[in-house]
Amino acid sequence: QVQLVQSGAEVKKPGASVKVSCKASGYTFTGDYIHWVRQAPGQGLEWMGRINPNSGGTGYAQKFQGRVTMTRDTSTSTVYMELSSLRSDDTAVYYCARVAVAGTLRFDPWGQGTLVSVSS
Amino acid sequence: QSALTQPASVSGSPGQSITISCTGTSSDVGLYDSVSWYQQYPGKAPKVMIYDVNKRPSGISNRFSGSKSDNTASLTISGLQAEDEADYFCSSYTPSSTLLFGGGTKLTVL
Repeated sequence: QVQLVQSGAEVKKPGASVKVSCKASGYTFTGDYIHWVRQAPGQGLEWMGRINPNSGGTGYAQKFQGRVTMTRDTSTSTVYMELSSLRSDDTAVYYCARVAVAGTLRFDPWGQGTLVSVSS
Repeated sequence: QSALTQPASVSGSPGQSITISCTGTSSDVGLYDSVSWYQQYPGKAPKVMIYDVNKRPSGISNRFSGSKSDNTASLTISGLQAEDEADYFCSSYTPSSTLLFGGGTKLTVL
């Protein structure tokens, strides 16, 4: 079945970087965009950006421009999201999600989420 | 850009119908037929319930329906069931090819 499996929880210090992986299976990896969304504790969803696994092309939310980098490895069907210069308010669960129907916001499935904790 | 506006909470009794609104602007919700709705249980990843305003993925109950009027989209759940108690989020594209989410609505089944 179509599945996105993310890497495990991370604990980082302020100023550090974190790289979260999202491994896809059950479909043609290069066929569908992957988006990244985060959710701070008790808060709503926040869109971070997207990557085209075929071309590697990316688009980021203005809030994260200069701090986020999304990449992919087609040999392992894995996308990565790296966030740098971490602050305490970056503590959140980070999700990847596949666009199941091109040109829509039908995000299906989502990864299980990766908790990133930033604390000194 | 500001998040889309949703009520913080709604409630209803089993069997009733409820509607959750999602208000944006003429530059997002009003401009595109791209509104999606997601259901999220505590500690779980979101799940898409509606996309493209009113389309239901296979496997989603027909008790869930979506609509849009001008700058406001709506999610209606009919025949409310205890299992519908969850958080619901809307989302929409924007002209800059970015994406906005609503702040989320907590649905309580009384």
